[in-house]
Amino acid sequence: EPEVTQTPSHQVTQMGQEVILRCVPISNHLYFYWYRQILGQKVEFLVSFYNNEISEKSEIFDDQFSVERPDGSNFTLKIRSTKLEDSAMYFCASRAGLAPLHFGNGTRLTVT
Amino acid sequence: RKEVEQDPGPFNVPEGATVAFNCTYSNSASQSFFWYRQDCRKEPKLLMSVYSSGNEDGRFTAQLNRASQYISLLIRDSKLSDSATYLCVVNVNRDDKIIFGKGTRLHILP
Repeated sequence: EPEVTQTPSHQVTQMGQEVILRCVPISNHLYFYWYRQILGQKVEFLVSFYNNEISEKSEIFDDQFSVERPDGSNFTLKIRSTKLEDSAMYFCASRAGLAPLHFGNGTRLTVT
Repeated sequence: RKEVEQDPGPFNVPEGATVAFNCTYSNSASQSFFWYRQDCRKEPKLLMSVYSSGNEDGRFTAQLNRASQYISLLIRDSKLSDSATYLCVVNVNRDDKIIFGKGTRLHILP
């Protein structure tokens, strides 16, 4: 069964550094998403992406964040100047049409 | 009112019992509804979509009440492996904003 893949599985970075989280969505999916989950808390919507542009974003997704689909397969989340409170599990997801979301295994980001 | 609200947990129920989860959503234009389960430190995984007429998959039954903006999930004959957090998920508008409830943790007791 096709799956969403995310790399790395764990990223440790120092406060103020930039990180790029990578995702390869399922190949025939057209809608791409990033979510984050701070330990012990809910899964929070960050951004959705369709037709090479952001279609929706939450108040969490401020100027510190950006997304890109640099080629036909990758979907990246960049966090500029990371803060301690950015430490969380970041999930990438994709879907086809109105079908359910399929999630990757997540990247655990630790900001020290 | 929050976009998606779920029962607070945790639910601790004995194996074999029936357990029900409830969820309400605030946007009447919401189009799609799902139940996901999440095991500790893992990604959410789709349990089932929720259809207008209600739907069943084995021990699991999902219901949708659009008038009350309410979704439910019923688990019959619960197993130890059902222990997880159950997440109500709603596509809250016509666009691509898909929102998760806080989740309800379920512990099945032997």
